[in-house]
Amino acid sequence: ETGVTQTPRHLVMGMTNKKSLKCEQHLGHNAMYWYKQSAKKPLELMFVYSLEERVENNSVPSRFSPECPNSSHLFLHLHTLQPEDSALYLCASSQARPVAYNEQFFGPGTRLTVL
Amino acid sequence: AQSVAQPEDQVNVAEGNPLTVKCTYSVSGNPYLFWYVQYPNRGLQFLLKYITGDNLVKGSYGFEAEFNKSQTSFHLKKPSALVSDSALYFCAVRDSGNTGKLIFGQGTTLQVKP
Repeated sequence: ETGVTQTPRHLVMGMTNKKSLKCEQHLGHNAMYWYKQSAKKPLELMFVYSLEERVENNSVPSRFSPECPNSSHLFLHLHTLQPEDSALYLCASSQARPVAYNEQFFGPGTRLTVL
Repeated sequence: AQSVAQPEDQVNVAEGNPLTVKCTYSVSGNPYLFWYVQYPNRGLQFLLKYITGDNLVKGSYGFEAEFNKSQTSFHLKKPSALVSDSALYFCAVRDSGNTGKLIFGQGTTLQVKP
């Protein structure tokens, strides 16, 4: 595998379910990001992990819970979601240190539908 | 605060014609600017970036962008558009701090017609 991979690619869940999204980067990067992309809305940054430490949480509801067990893996745990949470969830990684102007590499995304 | 604006929701061009997708920015300090492309149901792909140096930056798939400090713009260009260039294009600026965080514009849909 190369680049950034995400699983599953598609997910349909009920409002009471618990599921997890997985992201893996094979680039040796030290920062990882979760974005939400809804129809007709700009990319919304949800979480930033730098050197496995969460450094940003953009007022995301607690029904979204990120986890970064190591520099290559990032999870987004989902529980009791709402229909408005249906969106494309994108993971990205970059080499953010020692310099922070390197480009981010994105995974293909998980298309989430909440019924 | 850092920000970018893409003033056009959609740009339509005929195949073979030059294309421009506009982006303006507002930053404190030096701007680090990026362009990404997104094809349907795919993640974003990096096209090019401006960090320093030559104001004309060349990137993937024949795209280039011109950094203009006085106009605070970073427009994406291509001399001859292809139908396969039809996609959603995002301009981004690096946020302050050392997390590598990017601030994205709203996106511009490019339609290239045969």
